[in-house]
Amino acid sequence: DGGITQSPKYLFRKEGQNVTLSCEQNLNHDAMYWYRQDPGQGLRLIYYSQIVNDFQKGDIAEGYSVSREKKESFPLTVTSAQKNPTAFYLCASSVGAAHQPQHFGDGTRLSIL
Amino acid sequence: AQKITQTQPGMFVQEKEAVTLDCTYDTSDQSYGLFWYKQPSSGEMIFLIYQGSYDEQNATEGRYSLNFQKARKSANLVISASQLGDSAMYFCAMRAPSNDYKLSFGAGTTVTVRA
Repeated sequence: DGGITQSPKYLFRKEGQNVTLSCEQNLNHDAMYWYRQDPGQGLRLIYYSQIVNDFQKGDIAEGYSVSREKKESFPLTVTSAQKNPTAFYLCASSVGAAHQPQHFGDGTRLSIL
Repeated sequence: AQKITQTQPGMFVQEKEAVTLDCTYDTSDQSYGLFWYKQPSSGEMIFLIYQGSYDEQNATEGRYSLNFQKARKSANLVISASQLGDSAMYFCAMRAPSNDYKLSFGAGTTVTVRA
């Protein structure tokens, strides 16, 4: 089945450590997105990529980094510069058109040890 | 800039009743898409329904319908015959070319269905 796979489902980070969240899609979508969601809140865009080897900052990019070396993959690294990384992270993909929905993965919950 | 407003932080509805979730939006684009997503407590985002800015008919998908009033920039979601499984957070969102087709989300409305 086509879809978006995020791993791991749960992740724990030690102080000063970088961690990488995986996002893979087999929907052949050009665009991919990373969102952060804090408890009881809406989604905030971290980074997005509309094409391979290109990506743009979203609203809250500080302390995060991404790469887009393959169409199917858009990993997110939470760096030690992100001082409050505890949150739920959602990856999405879509075609670049106003009438098409974004499809989401099941998310990764990141906590600080 | 685009803005999505959901003014109801939380709502209670009796099982089998209908519930309307409000959503207003602001954009200068002529062509745009409006979406509703459901997020149960497990966290995944489930796409429910889509309305295009040029669509003259209100969208419907099973028990979900979208009350689209373009002049008022309103796109309310109606859930008919509520079920216990409808308890979740619901987000209104919009995509438009001037925003690189990124999804702009509202703050969400939590719906709790009572037996």
